[in-house]
Amino acid sequence: ETGVTQTPRHLVMGMTNKKSLKCEQHLGHNAMYWYKQSAKKPLELMFVYNFKEQTENNSVPSRFSPECPNSSHLFLHLHTLQPEDSALYLCASSHARRGLSGSGNTIYFGEGSWLTVV
Amino acid sequence: EDKVVQSPLSLVVHEGDTVTLNCSYEVTNFRSLLWYKQEKKAPTFLFMLTSSGIEKKSGRLSSILDKKELFSILNITATQTGDSAVYLCAARKTSYDKVIFGPGTSLSVIP
Repeated sequence: ETGVTQTPRHLVMGMTNKKSLKCEQHLGHNAMYWYKQSAKKPLELMFVYNFKEQTENNSVPSRFSPECPNSSHLFLHLHTLQPEDSALYLCASSHARRGLSGSGNTIYFGEGSWLTVV
Repeated sequence: EDKVVQSPLSLVVHEGDTVTLNCSYEVTNFRSLLWYKQEKKAPTFLFMLTSSGIEKKSGRLSSILDKKELFSILNITATQTGDSAVYLCAARKTSYDKVIFGPGTSLSVIP
């Protein structure tokens, strides 16, 4: 149990479906992240939220839409995905300090959501 | 462009061996280096290194950072089959918590 919980753990969706991944952290952190891990590729940072504000969008296609309603919850809305989007999607959280450029703090990961697009 | 390189990409050793995993980075506004262990699921945190030359230890694992030469090593002594995993190195930037991951080293420890 890492303190970061992701649901669902496994998801199979068609290319025309709309689904969402959910992440919740119980660590009192204020920065949350979405990462994508494809087979045989390094972890790719997708989005960063600090104090509920998106501070990083790593050229992610618009078919991925993040939402951060509060510091404890993060969603990734999925729409008209492609088979190459099949991957493990990892949520993570850490402490961040408002107004300062980075905290250097440890990032804690959830267990991931395995997504298969058919 | 920021990048993190790890070597070797895969390694097979026998139980009891000592291994050294390498990580080099070229990252602007570097802040710290992170090591993670990943076994099928999410990465679990091992070490965070911010200063050069200060070894961090946790049981049979240890790690050190050289900010002048821009690399870090992760040592595992007396390896066990439970050490089999992908070991990820990541460089953290000062800018808004951005973290760049390396490709990982896949370690297999055989009895």
